[in-house]
Amino acid sequence: GAGVSQTPSNKVTEKGKYVELRCDPISGHTALYWYRQSLGQGPEFLIYFQGTGAADDSGLPNDRFFAVRPEGSVSTLKIQRTERGDSAVYLCASSLGSGSDETQYFGPGTRLLVL
Amino acid sequence: GNSVTQMEGPVTLSEEAFLTINCTYTATGYPSLFWYVQYPGEGLQLLLKATKADDKGSNKGFEATYRKETTSFHLEKGSVQVSDSAVYFCALKGDTGRRALTFGSGTRLQVQP
Repeated sequence: GAGVSQTPSNKVTEKGKYVELRCDPISGHTALYWYRQSLGQGPEFLIYFQGTGAADDSGLPNDRFFAVRPEGSVSTLKIQRTERGDSAVYLCASSLGSGSDETQYFGPGTRLLVL
Repeated sequence: GNSVTQMEGPVTLSEEAFLTINCTYTATGYPSLFWYVQYPGEGLQLLLKATKADDKGSNKGFEATYRKETTSFHLEKGSVQVSDSAVYFCALKGDTGRRALTFGSGTRLQVQP
């Protein structure tokens, strides 16, 4: 079946602009996660949704970052007033959200470059 | 807080050599442990996992054993292939109910023919 998809695959923007990154999870997965991966580093957790609600947003670095999942499926990560330090690959993952198998399946990522 | 430490790369091996990539962790309680792999141009894929002490995860010839006493989860393979060239990430999920994964910084493996 289809895996996690993310759009766009690449995004170039200017400092101070607003960007939206989209994630389509695997069908039927109720849990959705956002991570950020800087060059040469492992992914760092940003936020986790169970259904429509943000169950854990402790990884969001500041209030410029916000994410929504209004219908419990697609999620959008929003970054306001982008800064050069926001440049990274933004990864989305999904999991079943219940039961013993909480394996997280990752999408290909959106590479964000802030000039 | 939780943390994962991996050996720095790149690790360069000849085909059919034995592979070990070290991973140690810091966490309270009994976390679940994972190895993810990222092939060139592709997304992260789960390679193997272990959810309790002394469990051995295995997949595609790779193995890792959850060692609580040494807080380690080293990745091994007896005979690597060129197609194993990738970046390998060790990760943990704590047992506090929090779902977030904590990753190491990754180890790049290059296998030469």
